[in-house]
Amino acid sequence: GQSLEQPSEVTAVEGAIVQINCTYQTSGFYGLSWYQQHDGGAPTFLSYNALDGLEETGRFSSFLSRSDSYGYLLLQELQMKDSASYFCAVIINRKLIWGLGTSLAVNP
Amino acid sequence: DVKVTQSSRYLVKRTGEKVFLECVQDMDHENMFWYRQDPGLGLRLIYFSYDVKMKEKGDIPEGYSVSREKKERFSLILESASTNQTSMYLCASSLSRQGYQPQHFGDGTRLSIL
Repeated sequence: GQSLEQPSEVTAVEGAIVQINCTYQTSGFYGLSWYQQHDGGAPTFLSYNALDGLEETGRFSSFLSRSDSYGYLLLQELQMKDSASYFCAVIINRKLIWGLGTSLAVNP
Repeated sequence: DVKVTQSSRYLVKRTGEKVFLECVQDMDHENMFWYRQDPGLGLRLIYFSYDVKMKEKGDIPEGYSVSREKKERFSLILESASTNQTSMYLCASSLSRQGYQPQHFGDGTRLSIL
């Protein structure tokens, strides 16, 4: 079967750096994507990795190691507005298989 | 900017009713998806469509059907609503079936079945 694991909750302070890990067990893996969802809002796309390595977009970076079936989302210079749920999702056969999400709380 | 519009933000229906959830996207996207989101269960794919009049089952299609008569519109139908279908329903679209294209989501419909 397909499964993704990510921590259920992470807490950090403003200005800090936080890393949210995602490990997966899937077949037919195409890539790893990350989405952000604020309470009551819609998921929004953050990043996508098809190849090993780091992808950087502003304060957010995403990493993938296909050999380790592992990826992470790195959030730098945390701001209060980064408090949200973060989902990793594996792309398989043009569909997304979603992790259960990590709730990030950023405290002053 | 892509706009995915779901017809209702909140909806209350009764057990046994036939329920229609509508979704429209304005960017000529080929792919459209219906998910439900429940606490502790994440997003689960109900149905998706890669083209007009085409549909494929997702992970939890039981009790649901879909219709895609026009490219921009994807409807989710609860044939006979039950209380265990109370949930947040999210519609999404993406550009094409070639490679990976990010999914763009609507604001969701919070459906309560009484």
